[in-house]
Amino acid sequence: AQSVTQLDSHVSVSEGTPVLLRCNYSSSYSPSLFWYVQHPNKGLQLLLKYTSAATLVKGINGFEAEFKKSETSFHLTKPSAHMSDAAEYFCVVSDTKPGTYKYIFGTGTRLKVLA
Amino acid sequence: GAVVSQHPSWVICKSGTSVKIECRSLDFQATTMFWYRQFPKQSLMLMATSNEGSKATYEQGVEKDKFLINHASLTLSTLTVTSAHPEDSSFYICSASNYGARNEQFFGPGTRLTVL
Repeated sequence: AQSVTQLDSHVSVSEGTPVLLRCNYSSSYSPSLFWYVQHPNKGLQLLLKYTSAATLVKGINGFEAEFKKSETSFHLTKPSAHMSDAAEYFCVVSDTKPGTYKYIFGTGTRLKVLA
Repeated sequence: GAVVSQHPSWVICKSGTSVKIECRSLDFQATTMFWYRQFPKQSLMLMATSNEGSKATYEQGVEKDKFLINHASLTLSTLTVTSAHPEDSSFYICSASNYGARNEQFFGPGTRLTVL
């Protein structure tokens, strides 16, 4: 069975400092992993995805994530936070085994960026 | 590419009425569409999965007679909230997939439903 755990419900950083949003997953098959961002009252925007190619995945707006199978982690990072990064972030796991294509969402991490 | 639209973006209705939400894949054919519900400050919860031309598969605890899903074509799925009540007020988000790119889903912008 698949599951995903976002270890922090809230993260606060100062503008210009690094961002780390943590995500651990459980999957019985080869997973696909995604990070989405959601601004207030908006839909989801895909930041990046891991689909079994390179383990270090670069996304939009300077975000990146590293797939670590041994640690079952897919943490999201950004070297320097911007005020516009303040939003809710969701880590998602999806098995690629045929018939198990559902997305399992983490509970979300609210990122606050301090001026 | 891979754009999904939802209509309406927001709707206010009276208790007891029914509301229909449309989800369209604009530039690809969606083998499967998904409907999610999101309460304030919470994550997305999958309500149902629908394949074109067949009955939707509902998640445990979701009333299929209350949340009617129709997936009549490869580009359109509809969610009808029947006899809506204030507790049905929520943000409803659809997604669509054609199983390319390792099962990636493409999300619509969401529909805010408020039941008075």
